Amino acid sequence: DTAVSQTPKYLVTQMGNDKSIKCEQNLGHDTMYWYKQDSKKFLKIMFSYNNKELIINETVPNRFSPKSPDKAHLNLHINSLELGDSAVYFCASSQDLDIVSYEQYFGPGTRLTVT
Amino acid sequence: GQNIDQPTEMTATEGAIVQINCTYQTSGFNGLFWYQQHAGEAPTFLSYNVLDGLEEKGRFSSFLSRSKGYSYLLLKELQMKDSASYLCAALSSGGSYIPTFGRGTSLIVHP
Repeated sequence: DTAVSQTPKYLVTQMGNDKSIKCEQNLGHDTMYWYKQDSKKFLKIMFSYNNKELIINETVPNRFSPKSPDKAHLNLHINSLELGDSAVYFCASSQDLDIVSYEQYFGPGTRLTVT
Repeated sequence: GQNIDQPTEMTATEGAIVQINCTYQTSGFNGLFWYQQHAGEAPTFLSYNVLDGLEEKGRFSSFLSRSKGYSYLLLKELQMKDSASYLCAALSSGGSYIPTFGRGTSLIVHP
């Protein structure tokens, strides 16, 4: 059974389109995250949600909007896609932000290519 | 601001020992993680250090010196499957715990 799953695994789309990436975790964790990994393999946090509340919002463009219908799901919606959005997007979850030694469990990633 | 520095690439021989260093500058430091990432796969957790000293877990050990802003990951008895990228991540707290990742060290293990 997959702990953190993402769909789709690959996404190829044109500039200007709007797309969504879905993430689900079955670990019962309270906190979920979205990361972007660029072509240089630099992993950067974009958002995190704790109990359906946005608690970290790094300086990402407002074209990116996280949506969490419940604590097991954190979807990423991207408007007006640009070439620079091409990257691998990882979803992750952790048990609780109050537990400092938190291990993050990552999903398999979604490779987004904008043409 | 946050800054994590680690070597871009390292090579080693199967059966040998390799040490991957990481230096960090971060405010409100709350610990340091090491993750392993194989090509095309997701990162997987290796270790977490918050106190100074060495944490050993099988063939892998991780060391932290808070006063020096320094950590290393030690891999013993290297195997071909250890060829991967190793990501150092410092955890800071500014109301919420924010992990900052380094760019990763690509380790190539050859026979």
